[in-house]
Formats: sequence, C-alpha cells, structure tokens
Amino acid sequence: EDQVTQSPEALRLQEGESSSLNCSYTVSGLRGLFWYRQDPGKGPEFLFTLYSAGEEKEKERLKATLTKKESFLHITAPKPEDSATYLCAVHPDSNYQLIWGAGTKLIIKP
Amino acid sequence: NAGVTQTPKFQVLKTGQSMTLQCAQDMNHEYMSWYRQDPGMGLRLIHYSVGAGITDQGEVPNGYNVSRSTTEDFPLRLLSAAPSQTSVYFCASSRPGTSGRGIRFIEQFFGPGTRLTVL
Repeated sequence: EDQVTQSPEALRLQEGESSSLNCSYTVSGLRGLFWYRQDPGKGPEFLFTLYSAGEEKEKERLKATLTKKESFLHITAPKPEDSATYLCAVHPDSNYQLIWGAGTKLIIKP
Repeated sequence: NAGVTQTPKFQVLKTGQSMTLQCAQDMNHEYMSWYRQDPGMGLRLIHYSVGAGITDQGEVPNGYNVSRSTTEDFPLRLLSAAPSQTSVYFCASSRPGTSGRGIRFIEQFFGPGTRLTVL
C-alpha cells in the first residue's frame, strides 16, 4: 500500500537553530514529491517539486532533498516567520492522485 | 489576481441539510480539485476536474457532488450532511502537468478553506 509518513509531528526550535524535517514514503514508483507550507487558518502554499533521487531544491532558508525512500526539508538558521506546518505529498506511479503526509508543525521561538 | 477564492469561510449545518461550497479561480487553470483536511491526517482528494465539463472522483467522493460548467468555478455540493463530513475543505487549481513526466497535479494553488461543522 502506498504510504507517506512525516516526522516528527511537531518540532520546536530556537531562532537560528538548524534542523531537518523528514518525509518517508513507500510507493511502487515515484513520479514526483512535493513540499508545501501551511500557515494556521490558510491553505497550503507550494514550495518545491522533486522528481528523482539526488535532486535538491533551495529557497531562502529551506532546502529539499530526495532519496529513493525519503525526502528531507532542511531549514537553516530559521526565523520565527518560518513557523508553519510543512506538508509532503507523493505522486506514485500507480495512481494519478497525490498521497499526502499528515505534516510537521514547526515552531521557531525568538 | 485574487487567486483561488472560497466561500463561505465557516458553516454550521444540521444533519441532513444540504449546501454548496463555492470555489473560483482567476488564473485560467484547467485543473481544479476539492480536498478535505482532518486532524492528524493528510489531505484527501474528494473530486477533481481537468477542464470545463469534465469531473472525476477522488479518494473520498461519497456524499459529495461536483460540476464544472466554466473554467473559473468548481462548486462542491453536500447532498445530505453527516457529522462525518465535519472538516476543513480546500479547493485547489493548477495547470496540467507536463505529459512527459506523467504527473497530473503539479504546483497547486489552494484557497483559504471552508471550515464546516455538521451537528
């Protein structure tokens, strides 16, 4: 069964303390992996698409990487405005529908 | 550009009532989707459309109807509301994925959501 698991469920960091969020997936084949950011009370906002193992994408303090089993969202020297829930979604070979993880809630304390 | 708009923001229904959640986009996107988001779970696709006049079921379509008469609008109808439909509903739109990669839902633009409570 196709599955996406995000960890940890929640992560509290001090401002400037770098860390990584994990998205592990079990699918028959991967066509693409997506990262979104969701602020409280709002809809998800697109961040990155990764298509193949070894690929990396960067945007400001965020860098997404992809292996054959998981993706990491690295956040470097985070600021309070980076606080949000980060969602991962996988597009499997077997289905046109995305499989979404439950998200990681990131809290950055000043 | 307003992007993707949804109305209402909040709604309370009684069991058995029907209602329509409205969704509109002004980006001329061909693809539109409806998702529901429940605590501790990932987004789940309810219905989607790849163009005016074309709709299809997602993962959790039971109890919901959609139609797409224009590119801009994609309303979601709850036929007879049940407490299990209490959720936050998001509408999203996107351009078609590139055929070479076989991906249908690329970068999606989401609306602000409708929080629905069914008593």
